[in-house]
Amino acid sequence: DSGVTQTPKHLITATGQRVTLRCSPRSGDLSVYWYQQSLDQGLQFLIHYYNGEERAKGNILERFSAQQFPDLHSELNLSSLELGDSALYFCASSVVPLVGDTEAFFGQGTRLTVV
Amino acid sequence: EDKVVQSPLSLVVHEGDTVTLNCSYEVTNFRSLLWYKQEKKAPTFLFMLTSSGIEKKSGRLSSILDKKELFSILNITATQTGDSAVYLCAVPNFGNEKLTFGTGTRLTIIP
Repeated sequence: DSGVTQTPKHLITATGQRVTLRCSPRSGDLSVYWYQQSLDQGLQFLIHYYNGEERAKGNILERFSAQQFPDLHSELNLSSLELGDSALYFCASSVVPLVGDTEAFFGQGTRLTVV
Repeated sequence: EDKVVQSPLSLVVHEGDTVTLNCSYEVTNFRSLLWYKQEKKAPTFLFMLTSSGIEKKSGRLSSILDKKELFSILNITATQTGDSAVYLCAVPNFGNEKLTFGTGTRLTIIP
């Protein structure tokens, strides 16, 4: 158990809908990262928050947004869902931003299926 | 843009064999390279390598980094069926503060 908690574990929803994925980082970790893992692709970086502030964005679609709350948990909001959004969404946390001195710990992921 | 390439993409061996997984990288402001093991769900951390030529070891797994040639290898000796997984290599980017992952090597151990 990495200490990073993601809910829900599975989510099945219809195209056009909106969902919210939740992540609680390890105790003491200030950085939260969101990654998307599709069948044919590796882990794709979406966004990074540090202590409530957005620090870096990857190839995140405009239909996706995220935030980190004062208690450090984070939510990833996916709207106007398309079939291609079906993937595993991972949250990872680290004590400080990943500049090469520390590792990130991953949650178990949320498997999103859009039908 | 940062690039991480892993080879082979897939490897099938018999229990007891030794395997070597490769990871090459191109990244600005290199600081470290990380290895993760992904079984059914969450990637789990294996090693962080920062210095060339210094082997990191954990049981039957070991890894080494070559900063001159920009690659790392992960060795697994006396493989067991529990080693079956996708092994991921990643490098942090100092400027972007994110991990860039390779596509992974899928290792299958046949009993």
